[in-house]
Order: sequence, then C-alpha cells, then structure tokens
Amino acid sequence: SQQGEEDPQALSIQEGENATMNCSYKTSINNLQWYRQNSGRGLVHLILIRSNEREKHSGRLRVTLDTSKKSSSLLITASRAADTASYFCAPAQAGTALIFGKGTTLSVSS
Amino acid sequence: DTGVSQNPRHKITKRGQNVTFRCDPISEHNRLYWYRQTLGQGPEFLTYFQNEAQLEKSRLLSDRFSAERPKGSFSTLEIQRTEQGDSAMYLCASSSSFEQYFGPGTRLTVT
Repeated sequence: SQQGEEDPQALSIQEGENATMNCSYKTSINNLQWYRQNSGRGLVHLILIRSNEREKHSGRLRVTLDTSKKSSSLLITASRAADTASYFCAPAQAGTALIFGKGTTLSVSS
Repeated sequence: DTGVSQNPRHKITKRGQNVTFRCDPISEHNRLYWYRQTLGQGPEFLTYFQNEAQLEKSRLLSDRFSAERPKGSFSTLEIQRTEQGDSAMYLCASSSSFEQYFGPGTRLTVT
C-alpha cells in the first residue's frame, strides 16, 4: 500500500472558477482514485483512472495521470458552492488497502 | 437504501470501557475495510476483510482493537479499554473491485 500526497492543502475560489488539485505518489500503481468528503461525512468515490490511461472525464471532473512523474491532477470546472469539501487521492495496487493523505480542502464561495 | 450503513452513528464512552461498532456493507461486496479518521487528517487504514477472512491489519493498530466478519456479511470493530486517543471517526467501506463505498461513520468520543 502507498500513500498519495495532495497539494495544495487548502484552496479557496469563487463560484464559477476552476479548481485544480494535485497528487504525488512514490511507487508503481495499478490505478489512482479520487474521493470527496463533505464535512463530517463518509468519503464518496469520484473517479478512477487506470495506470494505462492518461486522462479521464466525468461530468465537470477531469483527471490526468502521469505515471512517469508519478503524479495526478483533479480539475473541477465551473465550481459550485456544493463542491466545498476535502478531496483525497488514493494511488492503488491490486488487492491492497487504500492509504489516504491529508487531502486538499476546497472552499468555494458564492 | 442499499448503501453502507454503520451503527451507532455516535458513541460517547468513558475511558476504560469497551465499545463495539457495526458495519453493514453493500450486499454483493466481498471486501470490507475499516478506517479511523481524526480532525484534519485523511482516513487511516485499520484492517481489511475479503469475505470472512481478515487479510490485512495495520501494524499501527493496537492489540486493543479487534474486528470480525463472521459470515462474510456485516462486520464489527471492538475497542477494549478505550483511551482518550481513540476518539475519532470510524469509517467502514465495502468494495467488489477497486472503488470503495464508504458508510457515514461512527463518531467515538472517549471522556
């Protein structure tokens, strides 16, 4: 198992702006997942990108993966107040538990 | 609701008491995970089951913690002789592949 490290730790933007957060990891992976956590709630799975994929889209989310740099980014376009949450990346190998970092706390103000 | 459920949602206990939490996963999921989360931190992995077998346990996990999944369905997490440092949110997740589906958590406060 290995841990992802999210950057920045905190991000504040206005509604309608785009939010970009990054994830770095250290060893080879099978896939990388992004999760969202609203305050005091459980995590919600957002998107999974496999190691042989470079980019993936889901609604207003765009995830990139660069295995040569061992990094990933999550872009949220046209952000809304409801996007306010903590975002975690989880680099994963098959059959192992996920190890989460401290996350990026996103605040979207109207 | 067919999501992951956890009970109780909140538990307040006195130091030294034992507590037990229950997790009911999504019915067709064979994998079940327990995590602990404190304020400002990401979830910390505790242990993992595939069906009824406990396959992985964090080396950081105290011997006071034990988990079971007797019939490969629901799971329980017991903490014996609770300490104030055990105060945290305890999260359960289930999975049938790579994506994990989390429950709402049990918030434990040890006084």
